[in-house]
Amino acid sequence: GAVVSQHPSRVICKSGTSVKIECRSLDFQATTMFWYRQFPKQSLMLMATSNEGSKATYEQGVEKDKFLINHASLTLSTLTVTSAHPEDSSFYICSASSMTGSFKGTSGGLFGPGTRLTVL
Amino acid sequence: DAKTTQPPSMDCAEGRAANLPCNHSTISGNEYVYWFRQIHSQGPQYIIHGLKNNETNEMASLIITEDRKSSTLILPHATLRDTAVYYCIVRGLNGGTSYGKLTFGQGTILTVHP
Repeated sequence: GAVVSQHPSRVICKSGTSVKIECRSLDFQATTMFWYRQFPKQSLMLMATSNEGSKATYEQGVEKDKFLINHASLTLSTLTVTSAHPEDSSFYICSASSMTGSFKGTSGGLFGPGTRLTVL
Repeated sequence: DAKTTQPPSMDCAEGRAANLPCNHSTISGNEYVYWFRQIHSQGPQYIIHGLKNNETNEMASLIITEDRKSSTLILPHATLRDTAVYYCIVRGLNGGTSYGKLTFGQGTILTVHP
């Protein structure tokens, strides 16, 4: 069945390094992928929306040069946190949406399991 | 998208029905009510959605009032594994680049106890 996967599930890195997170849609084509960030005991905050083959649209306050998003295919989007700092430590979650919305949940987006980023 | 209001927390005994309310008094005619839940350290999980009719699936039932200004998510027989944050979200099924975009509030922390 349709699933969204993320890799890695957990990453620890040193301050100043870059980290890439992958989001894949399995068994369906994701025309749009969304990236969310969640700090401890807070709700999910949308960071950006990416459409396959187009530049991502970032929410206000999200630095596009720091959070690079690539959506080169209908099944893969990547989020790269460049020059990560401790304040970037968070839970990053992607969701994928299909325009056809023909199966349960896609009209609201299918979510990946999340990636826990810890920057030392 | 319309804003929603949910109680910050609720308790429920295992095996009993959990009724989670949501107010969305500014909902417009083409907006749907969605429910998701998030178990600790996992991604959100879709539960159910509806427009104006009551809906039921294998996970839950969704009761929407006639004026559509509020709804209730019902977990008929809550288990310990239903302990999670439950989010009520209202949005339209507009097409285009924002299709699937969701705005999360603070949700309701449901604790199911033995």
